[in-house]
Order: sequence, then C-alpha cells, then structure tokens
Amino acid sequence: GENVEQHPSTLSVQEGDSAVIKCTYSDSASNYFPWYKQELGKRPQLIIDIRSNVGEKKDQRIAVTLNKTAKHFSLHITETQPEDSAVYFCAASNPSYGKLTFGQGTILTVHP
Amino acid sequence: GAVVSQHPSWVICKSGTSVKIECRSLDFQATTMFWYRQFPKQSLMLMATSNEGSKATYEQGVEKDKFLINHASLTLSTLTVTSAHPEDSSFYICSARDRRRMREKLFFGSGTQLSVL
Repeated sequence: GENVEQHPSTLSVQEGDSAVIKCTYSDSASNYFPWYKQELGKRPQLIIDIRSNVGEKKDQRIAVTLNKTAKHFSLHITETQPEDSAVYFCAASNPSYGKLTFGQGTILTVHP
Repeated sequence: GAVVSQHPSWVICKSGTSVKIECRSLDFQATTMFWYRQFPKQSLMLMATSNEGSKATYEQGVEKDKFLINHASLTLSTLTVTSAHPEDSSFYICSARDRRRMREKLFFGSGTQLSVL
C-alpha cells in the first residue's frame, strides 16, 4: 500500500518568514495530493491540493510543488502569521483505492 | 456546500459499553465514507472504508467485530465501538466524498472525542 513520509515533525518560524514542509510517497500510481491544516480538537481543513498532471499550484500565500519523478511534494507558506500555527498533514491518494494516506504531520509554530 | 456532520462531538462512557457515532453528508450523496482514528499528536489512521449498501472494508489490524460500521443510506454511516475499553479512547473522525463532483476531495466531519473510563 501507499506510504507517506512527512518532514519535519515540528517547525518553528518567526512571523513573516517562510515555512516549507516536505512529503514523499511510495506509490507511483497516486495522483492526488492534498494538504490539510488541523487545529487542536478540530477537523482537518483542506488548504490546497494538487494533481499529478500539474507541477505547481499557488493560492495567495500557500503553494504546493510536486515532483512525480522523485515522488515528493512540498507545501510552502510565505509571510507566515501566528494564525498559521497548527498541525499540517500531507496526503496521497491512489485512484484505484480512492482512500487517502496521511503523513505523520508537522506542528508549525509561528512566533509573533 | 459539501458539509459533513458528525455526532456526538464528545462522549464519555464506562468500560464495557458500546458507543455509536454518526456521520452524515448534509448536502451531497456519499457512496463512500471513511473512518479515521487519531491519537493525540499523531496522524489520522484509516480504520475502514464504508460503502453504501455493502460491507465495510477494514484496514489491516482493525477488528471488524469491535468497530462495527453500517452505511445504510447515501448520506449516513455509523461507527459503533462495541465493548469499549480505555485503550479505545481516541478522536474518531469520518470523511466523505461527493460522488457527483470533486471526486477526489474528502470532506471531514467535526470528529468525536471518545473517553472510556
């Protein structure tokens, strides 16, 4: 089955700095890669996603890049704000199974 | 659109009792729903895939007789934790996919915090 590795497990940045979280996946058939933000005790919220036919996608301060050959994808958050502090999860989906496999999560802390 | 409602949001029960958690898609039909379990400071672990009108598919290591899943309609799936024990205490969260549009996107319920005494 799919295996998703996510790094780093914790990330601490100053307000205004950029944050980068990286994930690798094992199943070359996976073709959908979402990123979720989860606050304590709350549901994961989709913040951006990318499909395997696209190399990069941007939405305001958030961007995701995908390297299919290397089987890794990254989340980039620019001009971080304290409200960005949360746990971020990457995930990968194989169309044959339809289920998402999540990475281990990254605790992002943005210091004012 | 694409709202998933999950109830209850938290439950405390005595060891040995059963607890039922409901997951409803409010404004779309979901032929497939997924149940996840999340321990503190850990990732979401898929427990089972719930398919409307058929038996659920359980992930390796998940006891199907302990975690009963029923998906009786296109908008409702239930997870029953039978004979709950303290080690079953966790955050349980469901998700659903809108079969008519945005096929890959998963929409999550608000989660249920289960505490077994």
